[in-house]
Amino acid sequence: NAGVTQTPKFQVLKTGQSMTLQCAQDMNHNSMYWYRQDPGMGLRLIYYSASEGTTDKGEVPNGYNVSRLNKREFSLRLESAAPSQTSVYFCASSDAGQGDQPQHFGDGTRLSIL
Amino acid sequence: GESVGLHLPTLSVQEGDNSIINCAYSNSASDYFIWYKQESGKGPQFIIDIRSNMDKRQGQRVTVLLNKTVKHLSLQIAATQPGDSAVYFCAETGDSNYQLIWGAGTKLIIKP
Repeated sequence: NAGVTQTPKFQVLKTGQSMTLQCAQDMNHNSMYWYRQDPGMGLRLIYYSASEGTTDKGEVPNGYNVSRLNKREFSLRLESAAPSQTSVYFCASSDAGQGDQPQHFGDGTRLSIL
Repeated sequence: GESVGLHLPTLSVQEGDNSIINCAYSNSASDYFIWYKQESGKGPQFIIDIRSNMDKRQGQRVTVLLNKTVKHLSLQIAATQPGDSAVYFCAETGDSNYQLIWGAGTKLIIKP
């Protein structure tokens, strides 16, 4: 039961470096999401993809880009990393388009920007 | 603005007692509410959900209560166990099924 798989689990970058976080789900969900979680805080939505071929901005999209590669995969890219992007990044998936459905999460990528 | 807040950031409960975690929401248009459990180093885990046409829903050892009159949501955990130690988040759909509104979380501590 893999569910939502994120890679890598940990990463350290220098300011200005670029990086792509990978996410894949095996639940045949239509919708996928990227969140960030800062220490002691709730989750903030960066981008989401309601269905294959579409992406939309969430609450905090600046400094990020996403690609919905296919139904299973949704990647998050930092083009020029900044210390303010140090956070834990979570990917999630759901069948939100099929009515009220919960999101299911991966275990996160812990990203530090020096 | 829209917000989902929690009354208590930390809750300490004796093992075996019942726990009640509260959540206030502000968007009267929200029609779907979810409780998540997040253990240290892991992603949020779905616990239970409730739709706005319901007042109460029960799962295994957990019950969610929804009071739309006062915009209040609660999670009750029966016979709390050490494995229940985690941060609990409530979330609501707001105006969109895709953009959940998340609370800041309540840390549940189990005393032996």
